[in-house]
Amino acid sequence: EVQLVESGGDLVKPGGSLGLACAASGFGFSNAYMSWVRQAPGKGLEWVGRIAPTTDGGTTDYAAPVKGRFSISRDDSKNILYLQMNSLRIEDTAVYYCIATTAPPHWGQGTLVGVSS
Amino acid sequence: DIVLTQSPDSLSVSVGDRATINCKSSQSLFSSSNSKNFLAWYQQKPGQPPKTLIYWASTRASGVPDRFSGSGSGTDFTLTISSLQAEDVAVYYCHQFFTTDTFGQGTKVEIK
Repeated sequence: EVQLVESGGDLVKPGGSLGLACAASGFGFSNAYMSWVRQAPGKGLEWVGRIAPTTDGGTTDYAAPVKGRFSISRDDSKNILYLQMNSLRIEDTAVYYCIATTAPPHWGQGTLVGVSS
Repeated sequence: DIVLTQSPDSLSVSVGDRATINCKSSQSLFSSSNSKNFLAWYQQKPGQPPKTLIYWASTRASGVPDRFSGSGSGTDFTLTISSLQAEDVAVYYCHQFFTTDTFGQGTKVEIK
């Protein structure tokens, strides 16, 4: 059974930093494109960024609103995906999901990040 | 960036009737390398994560009722619920992963 379990969500102040993790199991994590997607309260889904498999170079891409502030990495030995978020803004408040872009795509349950003074 | 535009934004359908949601892409999502369209459909109910319904534009995910079907290729895609049930009330999203990912804005489906 495929499982994606996010952790690390918290309430932080504007300008602060936070790291999220997504523990994966039940599929070939090292061969999968992995993404982070967020959903602000009452809003739609917004892609945050993704990381390619290490065999494809492990390259990362980011959405414009987070580029330069967020960083995605992966540890294939532990099957964990990471999202490091710096210079957090109020508008980064959202539930953050990790997705395995496999066939079919799989979603985690999400972790809540709140940014408020 | 590829833009996905869903229509309509909301839909009110009687139980047992057909519901149709469209997703139009600003660029083709068809890959000649594997002859597949890089498009998925998700269902999201309040307080829950999205659930995968359809991937590769028309392949139903395991356990998804056969009243859900996906069609289309290139830039125009459709999610059809052939006979709407009360439990299908949700927001539906299309998602392209052909290049850096994007999502449609969502379509809210309600019971008439």
